[in-house]
Amino acid sequence: EIVLTQSPGTLSLSPGERATLSCRASQSVSSSYLAWYQQKPGQAPRLLIYATSSRATGIPDRFSGSGSGTDFTVSISRLEPEDFAVYYCQQYGSSPSFGGGTKVEIK
Amino acid sequence: EVQLLESGGGLVQPGGSLRLSCAASGFTFSTYAMAWVRQAPGKGLEWVSAISGSGGLTYYADSVKGRFTISRDNSDNTLYVQMNNLRAEDTAVYYCAKDTPSFLALFDYWGRGTLVTVSS
Repeated sequence: EIVLTQSPGTLSLSPGERATLSCRASQSVSSSYLAWYQQKPGQAPRLLIYATSSRATGIPDRFSGSGSGTDFTVSISRLEPEDFAVYYCQQYGSSPSFGGGTKVEIK
Repeated sequence: EVQLLESGGGLVQPGGSLRLSCAASGFTFSTYAMAWVRQAPGKGLEWVSAISGSGGLTYYADSVKGRFTISRDNSDNTLYVQMNNLRAEDTAVYYCAKDTPSFLALFDYWGRGTLVTVSS
C-alpha cells in the first residue's frame, strides 16, 4: 500500500497570498495517477486536480499541480475566501489511498 | 446534472449490520464504476470499496474485506453496500462516489454522505 504524507498539517495564510501544499508518497506514483481534492466543512470532497497537473471541470486557473515520483505539490496562486478548506491528495489506479490532509485556514 | 444521494446510515451496535444505498441520476449509471469512501469523525478519507459498471468486478480495502459487500442495480441506478459485523472503527460518514470512465478510482462526483455510528 502506498502511504501519502501531506505537509504542513495546517497552513495559515491571508487572502491574496500564495499557498503551496505538499504530498509525499512512500513509493513512486505514476504522474498519471495523482489527484487533489478540496473539502469544505460539512461538504463532500470536490475533485480539483488529476493526473498531477490537469484541472477538473470548472476549477479556476489559480489552482495548479506539479510533481513526479514521490513528491507532488498543489499551489493556489492567490487565495480567495472560498479557498480556505482542507485539501487531500490521492493516488489512484490500484489500491487507492488518500493523504491525511492539509487545512488552509485564514490567518 | 449528476446527483448522488446516500441513505441508510444510523446507529448500530457492534456486531450489527447495515445496508447503505446511493441513488444516482444525471448520467448513464451502468457505464461507470462506483465506489464507497468513508471519513471517520475529524479524520481523513479512506477508500472502502469499488464496483465496475457491470457489477462483475468488485474490490475492497483490507479493513472491510470479508465484512462488507458492494453491489449495484443498474435497472434502478442504485449502488449498495452491505456492512456486516460492524466495529466501532467503522464509524464514519460514508460517501458514494462516481468514478471516471477509466475505472481508476478517480472520483469526479460525490454524494453528501450518510453517517454510520457503531456504538453500544
